[in-house]
Amino acid sequence: EAGVAQSPRYKIIEKRQSVAFWCNPISGHATLYWYQQILGQGPKLLIQFQNNGVVDDSQLPKDRFSAERLKGVDSTLKIQPAKLEDSAVYLCASSSTQLNPPSGNTIYFGEGSWLTVV
Amino acid sequence: TQLLEQSPQFLSIQEGENLTVYCNSSSVFSSLQWYRQEPGEGPVLLVTVVTGGEVKKLKRLTFQFGDARKDSSLHITAAQPGDTGLYLCAGAGSDSNYKLTFGKGTLLTVNP
Repeated sequence: EAGVAQSPRYKIIEKRQSVAFWCNPISGHATLYWYQQILGQGPKLLIQFQNNGVVDDSQLPKDRFSAERLKGVDSTLKIQPAKLEDSAVYLCASSSTQLNPPSGNTIYFGEGSWLTVV
Repeated sequence: TQLLEQSPQFLSIQEGENLTVYCNSSSVFSSLQWYRQEPGEGPVLLVTVVTGGEVKKLKRLTFQFGDARKDSSLHITAAQPGDTGLYLCAGAGSDSNYKLTFGKGTLLTVNP
């Protein structure tokens, strides 16, 4: 079974430029997450989708970050304009449902997209 | 906001030694998960604990969930260089929505 696919793996941009990351979740997974992991910290949830609807975007800096999952499958995360503090790994993850682990659900992570803003 | 504190932040040991890492919070979690993340990779799930006081074993790794479901520990016996990585704990809230809050992680280095 193919895992969560992300691209690009690495991106270097100048501040104030824009960047977009793409994610293709595991086939059949209804729930998709974007996490931001800054060096030395744990992942922080940016946005959670259930199919093509947003479940939680409370920690997404909406003045510069946007994400969409138009057809309920793959997703794009965009940053515009980028700031130095956006340098991080952007992890996409998916799970079969949005239900908590007692249901037996598991979140699977992609390898991440590494962003450096200079 | 639910916060998870992990300790120690860094740990460097020799092959064959035992170690314990801790994950503590003032909040109650419906479940808690441990992940290992290797350089250049995403986190990979090791275990999920759900019941207060629960103990799970995965080969040389022993995971325990506190009775009050606020804390957890990971104990590794006879550590090997292959155990090197960032160990993250993550808690799921009490609502039905599967959203994880991660700790900052413990970076473990096992030297041969």
